[in-house]
Amino acid sequence: GDSVTQMEGPVTLSEEAFLTINCTYTATGYPSLFWYVQYPGEGLQLLLKATKADDKGSNKGFEATYRKETTSFHLEKGSVQVSDSAVYFCALSGSSNTGKLIFGQGTTLQVKP
Amino acid sequence: DSGVTQTPKHLITATGQRVTLRCSPRSGDLSVYWYQQSLDQGLQFLIQYYNGEERAKGNILERFSAQQFPDLHSELNLSSLELGDSALYFCASSVAGGNIQYFGAGTRLSVL
Repeated sequence: GDSVTQMEGPVTLSEEAFLTINCTYTATGYPSLFWYVQYPGEGLQLLLKATKADDKGSNKGFEATYRKETTSFHLEKGSVQVSDSAVYFCALSGSSNTGKLIFGQGTTLQVKP
Repeated sequence: DSGVTQTPKHLITATGQRVTLRCSPRSGDLSVYWYQQSLDQGLQFLIQYYNGEERAKGNILERFSAQQFPDLHSELNLSSLELGDSALYFCASSVAGGNIQYFGAGTRLSVL
């Protein structure tokens, strides 16, 4: 079945460092891909999405490109801030019209001043 | 604020008991999803309803059931609770299946 694999965390960075969180997926057909972020004590918020190959999703300085050839959707940010400290989830929604999300295990990011 | 409301925020109960979690979707959203977040299983899809009808089922235990009412709010019923059912339960809603899902803040269930 469909699945998502994220890099293990936690990831600890200094402020203004470059961030990459790796995400790869296995799916039949052409899934939509998402990054969600969960701040402490809160629900999940959509960070960005891409619905077809070579699409680039971007929001708040974060970017991810849908790479079908490598089945990847890595999250990047050029300069992280302390306020970016959170848990980041990569997810896919398969080709069916149900829209159910399949999540990776989540990656905790801690940014130190 | 996502517009999705979940109550209660916290629930503490004992093994063998039954609880009901409630979710009010965003105004205009017809689809409701339930997810369970636990330390060992991560975030897992449980069940989806669309306009009152069950649309998709995930790894939902037989002890768990859900429904969506005519006013589109949804309830997740968990019975014969076990210690392993302790988790965060999230509700999400979308306009229809396949659209962006907006998540509530979750209900934290502790089974003692």
